[in-house]
Amino acid sequence: DADVTQTPRNRITKTGKRIMLECSQTKGHDRMYWYRQDPGLGLRLIYYSFDVKDINKGEISDGYSVSRQAQAKFSLSLESAIPNQTALYFCATSDPGQGHYGYTFGSGTRLTVV
Amino acid sequence: KQEVTQIPAALSVPEGENLVLNCSFTDSAIYNLQWFRQDPGKGLTSLLLIQSSQREQTSGRLNASLDKSSGRSTLYIAASQPGDSATYLCAVRVTDSWGKFQFGAGTQVVVTP
Repeated sequence: DADVTQTPRNRITKTGKRIMLECSQTKGHDRMYWYRQDPGLGLRLIYYSFDVKDINKGEISDGYSVSRQAQAKFSLSLESAIPNQTALYFCATSDPGQGHYGYTFGSGTRLTVV
Repeated sequence: KQEVTQIPAALSVPEGENLVLNCSFTDSAIYNLQWFRQDPGKGLTSLLLIQSSQREQTSGRLNASLDKSSGRSTLYIAASQPGDSATYLCAVRVTDSWGKFQFGAGTQVVVTP
């Protein structure tokens, strides 16, 4: 099993619909992140969480919300999807206890809003 | 705000040539820098991570250097193979960013047989 699992892998949804992207990890890391990737723009941080009770906005949080249900689970919701939220979404974890703060990424969710 | 730039955006080389990928950043106060590989439609695979106190890291055919004072990192891939075709991204963690990384847009590499 992958260390960081994202579901679904692909999703097409209509404008105005609510959608949830899920992420679970088996690495035991406290820190989890949601990024979106758009062509030519690299990855941009949406939300991050340093533990179950600590959730923070990233640089592009408008139109998104998150829930940290447990140390291992971090979900991203689009309350009312719009076409410019069409992107590749990544969940990632990191562990400062390892001393290097490197990231481990999931395989991504490709979301299309029509 | 830290800005990370990767030039060129795309690169094509014949098999066997060495690859040189560049990453520049505007704020030299970094904690570490990480290089990733991304295959089309896939997630990111960590290749190398360089701490701010290090000048380079090596793994097999890959070597990454870091020059904080000039705001640059270079990823070298020796004797390129078609399987090296992918997009390569660098990400910089600024010292006060609490584990958040700033990513470059990536360099898309094609290695032709």
